[in-house]
Amino acid sequence: DIVMTQSPLSLPVSPGEPASISCRSSQSLLHNNGNNYLNWYLQKPGQSPQLLIYLRSNRASGVPDRFSGIGSGTDFTLKISRVEAEDVGVYYCMQTLQSPLTFGGGTRVEIK
Amino acid sequence: QVQLQESGPGLLKPSKTLSLTCTVSGGSIRSSSHYWGWIRQTPGKGLEWIGSIYFSGTTYYSPSLESRLTVSADTSKNQFYLELTSVTAADTALYYCVRHVASSPWFPLLAGMDVWGRGTSVTVSS
Repeated sequence: DIVMTQSPLSLPVSPGEPASISCRSSQSLLHNNGNNYLNWYLQKPGQSPQLLIYLRSNRASGVPDRFSGIGSGTDFTLKISRVEAEDVGVYYCMQTLQSPLTFGGGTRVEIK
Repeated sequence: QVQLQESGPGLLKPSKTLSLTCTVSGGSIRSSSHYWGWIRQTPGKGLEWIGSIYFSGTTYYSPSLESRLTVSADTSKNQFYLELTSVTAADTALYYCVRHVASSPWFPLLAGMDVWGRGTSVTVSS
């Protein structure tokens, strides 16, 4: 199985400040078709997870442009350019290159 | 707008079979652009993919659950299902049904899970 490792575990951020979350995979997620099969989700308190970023860097419908995804191969980063209060919750990365699909352990973002 | 709604027993005893239904509204499970799947979440193990199905009936299972798992669908009812046999306390979780976006004809090359149900809590206890 591909193991997904996120850091940090917890990330306190002041409103308006940037934030970065790291995700590393135990195997490359780069397919020979050129896609990195890495997605990011946000689970807000009391809600189901929601898709933020798919295929490494594509924002899902309705996702603000302050969210961006970068990286390739085994190292990926989710960046929030300016954190807002509504961005609090747990962020997960997930790989869809190989079965079984696997998730990272999550990074909790909180407002200072 | 596609919506998913899980339904299930809530509480069941060890060794029994867990049966969950996901009802899809606002769209068809016959879509060739999507797969349909089950995810569960526990405080200890986090998010775990269980299994998925394509409208053709082709299924994909997590190896760790495959021996106890059946995912199926009824296109006439626009529903898909999960059956997990011989449950134990370790199967206690919040179960979500999801829609996967297919980025290619081959699973699991997916472009994310863009629709999630609200989840149904399942507790296995005697």
